Amino acid sequence: GQQLNQSPQSMFIQEGEDVSMNCTSSSIFNTWLWYKQEPGEGPVLLIALYKAGELTSNGRLTAQFGITRKDSFLNISASIPSDVGIYFCAGDTTGTASKLTFGTGTRLQVTL
Amino acid sequence: DTAVSQTPKYLVTQMGNDKSIKCEQNLGHDTMYWYKQDSKKFLKIMFSYNNKELIINETVPNRFSPKSPDKAHLNLHINSLELGDSAVYFCASSRSHLQGQPQHFGDGTRLSIL
Repeated sequence: GQQLNQSPQSMFIQEGEDVSMNCTSSSIFNTWLWYKQEPGEGPVLLIALYKAGELTSNGRLTAQFGITRKDSFLNISASIPSDVGIYFCAGDTTGTASKLTFGTGTRLQVTL
Repeated sequence: DTAVSQTPKYLVTQMGNDKSIKCEQNLGHDTMYWYKQDSKKFLKIMFSYNNKELIINETVPNRFSPKSPDKAHLNLHINSLELGDSAVYFCASSRSHLQGQPQHFGDGTRLSIL
């Protein structure tokens, strides 16, 4: 099945640094979602994007829905230790019924 | 208070056995899903149900049979377990089955086949 490519695969950053990650697809999507997963837990929704070109913020997180509808970006500003986790992008189908395709994940480690 | 709850959290069993995983959501959502996350953390949808009716079946082997007794519950029964079934299985729910609805996930069931 289709897979969305996320980069980078992993990041090791220092507390206070800004983080950027992206997600690309060979197909277009109508909705892009960003989730965060911590060890032993399920993915938690961070940001949902519904329109090409849309830029949405949630606290220190900002995400953008690419103009081509084939990509999305997530930025985290001034990272803190609790930002540690795996960040997944997900694209929702262009059909009527929801069917999420998840990205390969970006693993974020934050050092003090 | 847990929105989407799955039981059991851990399941260790032998190859060839039959097992079930249960999921309940108290969000009043109409749609529920099962996902499989492999050892490389790749998440893939298996099934979705809307108001007890099957909407999506992603070419999952027949050994996997979901059952939705009501819209708040979606269980997953697996027959003749194989080594490749070892994974974390996540249940999720959304307000409706329509495209664009955010999905809320449970904490997963870690299935290990010996």
